[in-house]
Amino acid sequence: DIVMTQSPDSLALSLGERATINCKSSQSVLYNSNNKNYLTWYQQKPGQPPKLLIYWASTRESGVPDRFSGSGSGTDFTLTISSLQAEDVAVYYCHQSYSSPWTFGQGTRVEIK
Amino acid sequence: QVQLQQSGPGLVKPSQTLSLTCAISGDSVFSNIAAWNWIRQSPSRGLEWLGRTYYRSKWYNDYPVSVKSRITINPDTSKNQFSLQLNSVTPEDTAVYYCTRDLSGRFDRWGQGTLVTVSS
Repeated sequence: DIVMTQSPDSLALSLGERATINCKSSQSVLYNSNNKNYLTWYQQKPGQPPKLLIYWASTRESGVPDRFSGSGSGTDFTLTISSLQAEDVAVYYCHQSYSSPWTFGQGTRVEIK
Repeated sequence: QVQLQQSGPGLVKPSQTLSLTCAISGDSVFSNIAAWNWIRQSPSRGLEWLGRTYYRSKWYNDYPVSVKSRITINPDTSKNQFSLQLNSVTPEDTAVYYCTRDLSGRFDRWGQGTLVTVSS
């Protein structure tokens, strides 16, 4: 199974600051035939299911604010919130769908300082 | 728009079978581009993918080894829904269970979640 490891486990920032969340996979999730990384980011707020933010490592889902961006390839990925807003308080998860069984990172909690 | 509506009991006794259903609106269980998944979430195990069913000229299933001996995910084509059955449950199966749609590897639609507690 591919193990997904996120860092940090939590971070607390002031409003307007940049948030950076890292995700490392135990093996590459880059599918060579289409050059796509099967790495997805989700946001989960209390009492709600996860919400899709970014897929194929860097493609923003429709309706997701452009302050959210994803980058990386192979085994190392980053989710960036360019200017943290109060409504961004949540737990963020990465997920790989390159190889079954699909697996998730442990989550990163983002809070306002 | 696509919506997934879950139903099923929130309390199951140890050794019995957990059964949940996910009704699909705005899409078809016969979709040739979607797969229909179950995922659970608990404080001890985090987000855990339980398996999927999908149609590509015929029906396929895919389960992780961790639950493969105990799980069945089936489409119900007459009602445009799919179901989860998890046998021989223990307290370790206590979790919030979600149904999801998978498009090219991303879970873009989620059910509302069902807290299932395994307890006598």
